[in-house]
Amino acid sequence: SQQGEEDPQALSIQEGENATMNCSYKTSINNLQWYRQNSGRGLVHLILIRSNEREKHSGRLRVTLDTSKKSSSLLITASRAADTASYFCATGPYNTDKLIFGTGTRLQVFP
Amino acid sequence: EADIYQTPRYLVIGTGKKITLECSQTMGHDKMYWYQQDPGMELHLIHYSYGVNSTEKGDLSSESTVSRIRTEHFPLTLESARPSHTSQYLCASSLQGYGYTFGSGTRLTVV
Repeated sequence: SQQGEEDPQALSIQEGENATMNCSYKTSINNLQWYRQNSGRGLVHLILIRSNEREKHSGRLRVTLDTSKKSSSLLITASRAADTASYFCATGPYNTDKLIFGTGTRLQVFP
Repeated sequence: EADIYQTPRYLVIGTGKKITLECSQTMGHDKMYWYQQDPGMELHLIHYSYGVNSTEKGDLSSESTVSRIRTEHFPLTLESARPSHTSQYLCASSLQGYGYTFGSGTRLTVV
């Protein structure tokens, strides 16, 4: 079965609001990554957080990692209509460069 | 701008035909991957390669095959396409410890 489970499955918010997505995983990891996918396109890498890090920022994105709970969250602040996309977490287990993707959260931001 | 290219972008083909999906990257990445994704669904790893002449099957069983004769090129071949192969195929590459760079994908429809 897939490593990552994300919730919510779908999220609709207004522009300017914050969006929070959560990811849980099952096994020990080297790192956890977040990706965005616009409809019908490839994925775009957003941010990578290593297992010894607890929080990371990139522009309007904030990622947290709690290895004791095997969970991560992605916060998008001051969302924009252009943030509308599916967001996936992906985990990199130890001793492998293969990424295992979660089920994704579909975010819709209304103008 | 992505430095990984997939062709064709869309392909509609009849049952029983042999097809090759092309993937090329100009970043000199050793590691390359093929994922299969049904609409609105999670990604499943079907093949990966850690370098020239190295190919491995992924977590999802697939009737496709791959080759890695050159670092920059990682084509995927289906000897005899079937309707069950209808899906989106995403190619990616990476350096160890860094995020993946994805191509735009090939949407395959077998009729």
